[in-house]
Amino acid sequence: QKEVEQNSGPLSVPEGAIASLNCTYSDRGSQSFFWYRQYSGKSPELIMSIYSNGDKEDGRFTAQLNKASQYVSLLIRDSQPSDSATYLCAVSRYSSASKIIFGSGTRLSIRP
Amino acid sequence: EPEVTQTPSHQVTQMGQEVILRCVPISNHLYFYWYRQILGQKVEFLVSFYNNEISEKSEIFDDQFSVERPDGSNFTLKIRSTKLEDSAMYFCASRKGLNSEAFFGKGTRLTVV
Repeated sequence: QKEVEQNSGPLSVPEGAIASLNCTYSDRGSQSFFWYRQYSGKSPELIMSIYSNGDKEDGRFTAQLNKASQYVSLLIRDSQPSDSATYLCAVSRYSSASKIIFGSGTRLSIRP
Repeated sequence: EPEVTQTPSHQVTQMGQEVILRCVPISNHLYFYWYRQILGQKVEFLVSFYNNEISEKSEIFDDQFSVERPDGSNFTLKIRSTKLEDSAMYFCASRKGLNSEAFFGKGTRLTVV
């Protein structure tokens, strides 16, 4: 079982619509959850972090966490062509190791 | 805004040569990481470093790899004898604490020929 699973996509969404990205994780001890955006050939760029169950909103982005279901999602409202990228879900524990484990990413394409 | 800086941005080396990739983490961060990403593949954890020692390393991080924090600012990854399959983007990241976000540098593209 993969530690962090994401649908690889591509997910194609019309401009102005809501893009919904999903992620599941296997380690029940995970306590920190992140969404990164990665443009081709570039480094991961942090979009959102979430640490407790529920929703967290930041501008056009909303992260949702359900620890019981081991599920994290990211909603992007009013999608723009510049949102076209690969979105990486990442999780980590509170521990001395504290490594952050990434999923393979979902490719999102916003069509004008 | 503080950022993680990495040098060089691109390194070409011959198979069997040693390379050192350099990183300057954000100044008040305590946890440092190296990741790699082979073209078209996922971001893979290599090693975490805290309090001047390795906290955890992955299976990829074998005896050919080492990390060092030679002074108060730099964090280096050394590959002793490079192989063709070491060709990848190498990212350095740092975070302030265990419950905070990690920020990534722009990466070093390593090409082994």
